[in-house]
Amino acid sequence: DADVTQTPRNRITKTGKRIMLECSQTKGHDRMYWYRQDPGLGLRLIYYSFDVKDINKGEISDGYSVSRQAQAKFSLSLESAIPNQTALYFCATSDLGQGSRETQYFGPGTRLLVL
Amino acid sequence: GDSVTQMEGPVTLSEEAFLTINCTYTATGYPSLFWYVQYPGEGLQLLLKATKADDKGSNKGFEATYRKETTSFHLEKGSVQVSDSAVYFCALTGGGNKLTFGTGTQLKVEL
Repeated sequence: DADVTQTPRNRITKTGKRIMLECSQTKGHDRMYWYRQDPGLGLRLIYYSFDVKDINKGEISDGYSVSRQAQAKFSLSLESAIPNQTALYFCATSDLGQGSRETQYFGPGTRLLVL
Repeated sequence: GDSVTQMEGPVTLSEEAFLTINCTYTATGYPSLFWYVQYPGEGLQLLLKATKADDKGSNKGFEATYRKETTSFHLEKGSVQVSDSAVYFCALTGGGNKLTFGTGTQLKVEL
């Protein structure tokens, strides 16, 4: 079984609709992240959470919100979807171990199309 | 702020050719450096990493050396295979331990 799972894998929605993307992990990591990937732009950080009570905005948080329901679950919501939110969305986790620098582990991605 | 610049693709090579994908960075302090790979239809996987100057990361025949004097972390492989076709991302973690990615370089390896 995959360590980081995302649901749904593909989603088509209409402008103005509210949608939620979900991420679950079995790695036992405290830190979780949401990124979006656009052609030619690489990955950009939307939100991140260092533990259940900690939520932080990334570089492109406008139009998005998140919920950290448990250590293992981190959801991304688009309150009112717009076409320029069409992208590939990735969840990631990490565990900053003592003496080591951060390595992030990624889910398989959710492909979102907003019409 | 932190930034990563990597060569634009696509890079098209014949099987068994030598691969170099250039990556340079700007960061304060002493970042850790990473190469991630994204195979078609999949998420990103860590390929290799280096945490301090002159460290060499290696995995699956790929290598990259952390060069502080040139702020570079170029990815190399001596003999590529068709199965290496993917998108390669250079990245760093600096202050705050957040990953900053380059824009990705697509590699296509042909028979």
